[in-house]
Amino acid sequence: SQTIHQWPATLVQPVGSPLSLECTVEGTSNPNLYWYRQAAGRGLQLLFYSVGIGQISSEVPQNLSASRPQDRQFILSSKKLLLSDSGFYLCAWRSSGTGATEAFFGQGTRLTVV
Amino acid sequence: AQTVTQSQPEMSVQEAETVTLSCTYDTSENNYYLFWYKQPPSRQMILVIRQEAYKQQNATENRFSVNFQKAAKSFSLKISDSQLGDTAMYFCAFMSRYGNKLVFGAGTILRVKS
Repeated sequence: SQTIHQWPATLVQPVGSPLSLECTVEGTSNPNLYWYRQAAGRGLQLLFYSVGIGQISSEVPQNLSASRPQDRQFILSSKKLLLSDSGFYLCAWRSSGTGATEAFFGQGTRLTVV
Repeated sequence: AQTVTQSQPEMSVQEAETVTLSCTYDTSENNYYLFWYKQPPSRQMILVIRQEAYKQQNATENRFSVNFQKAAKSFSLKISDSQLGDTAMYFCAFMSRYGNKLVFGAGTILRVKS
């Protein structure tokens, strides 16, 4: 069966520090991968998605970046965090190809920038 | 660009009653998929129901059903016989049949009262 792992669950980082959030998927190949951010009490904002290794689509220009070094690994990074980067970050995957396939989400990372 | 609008930030319903959550979307495409996801206090995202735009019949999953009005670009969720466990934030989502971008609305917080 397929599983998705996202870590860490909680992170407190000072302003200006770097960030690296990792997401890995098991039990499937060539998944579509997504990073979302959810500000407190608000909706899911799509940050990045990827359809293959090295293929990243950016939805929101900001100081975040994403990389997909391996088929089932998706990393969200920042060189210098801002206060506004605080939020709940969710990684998700879904099967590639057409069809109303379900997206499966990780447990999320609560990031607080202080 | 596709956008998803949920105009009800919060709603409440008495246990055992019926509630309808609204969702509208904007797209120029004819083939696409629509989803409703639930995010309970645990923050784990759970698929509630999905609809393929080329299917005229409204999707139904037990107590959950949708009213899909393609011409009006409306996709509302009806929850019948509401239960305390239905308390959650509900997200409407859109995905093109020929793309991989999964876009969510701002969410509606539903509170079921006993």
